[in-house]
Amino acid sequence: EAGVAQSPRYKIIEKRQSVAFWCNPISGHATLYWYQQILGQGPKLLIQFQNNGVVDDSQLPKDRFSAERLKGVDSTLKIQPAKLEDSAVYLCASSFGTARSYEQYFGPGTRLTVT
Amino acid sequence: AQSVTQLDSQVPVFEEAPVELRCNYSSSVSVYLFWYVQYPNQGLQLLLKYLSGSTLVKGINGFEAEFNKSQTSFHLRKPSVHISDTAEYFCAVIPVGSGNTGKLIFGQGTTLQVKP
Repeated sequence: EAGVAQSPRYKIIEKRQSVAFWCNPISGHATLYWYQQILGQGPKLLIQFQNNGVVDDSQLPKDRFSAERLKGVDSTLKIQPAKLEDSAVYLCASSFGTARSYEQYFGPGTRLTVT
Repeated sequence: AQSVTQLDSQVPVFEEAPVELRCNYSSSVSVYLFWYVQYPNQGLQLLLKYLSGSTLVKGINGFEAEFNKSQTSFHLRKPSVHISDTAEYFCAVIPVGSGNTGKLIFGQGTTLQVKP
């Protein structure tokens, strides 16, 4: 069974530029999560989708971050414009549904460096 | 609101020695409890989880954890560590019940450094 795929693995941009990350969840998983992991901290949920609807985006900085999950499969997370404090690892995870959120599978992450 | 506190940011230990990584949580509702491991430049891998039942939970790679409801703790233990156990370890909870969406709430992480 293929795991959660993410790309790119690494990205370096200058502040005020824009960047996009892509996630392909495990086949059949209805729930998709984006977490932000700043160096030295635990991951923090940015946004959670159930199919193509948003379940929780309470911690997403909506003035600069956006995310979509068209067709309820792949998802894209965008930052525009980026700030220095956005330097972090962005982790995507998926599960069969919110009722089985205790079985979240994580991708390898995208390491973003903003200079 | 829920929070997770990992009491040690770094734990150095010699190979083949026992280790305990400490985790306490705060929550007004019941929670599921988890330990994840993160090797350098990799994603998170589930070590073990507590949902219900026996408070002693066994996981992969010889790790185990014990849920203590009265002390709101979920400490991770291994009787004999290997060099390959060097990694970052995260304790996490999921609040349970209506209105909860299943998001993981993580502690700050503990770096386990196994020395030869």
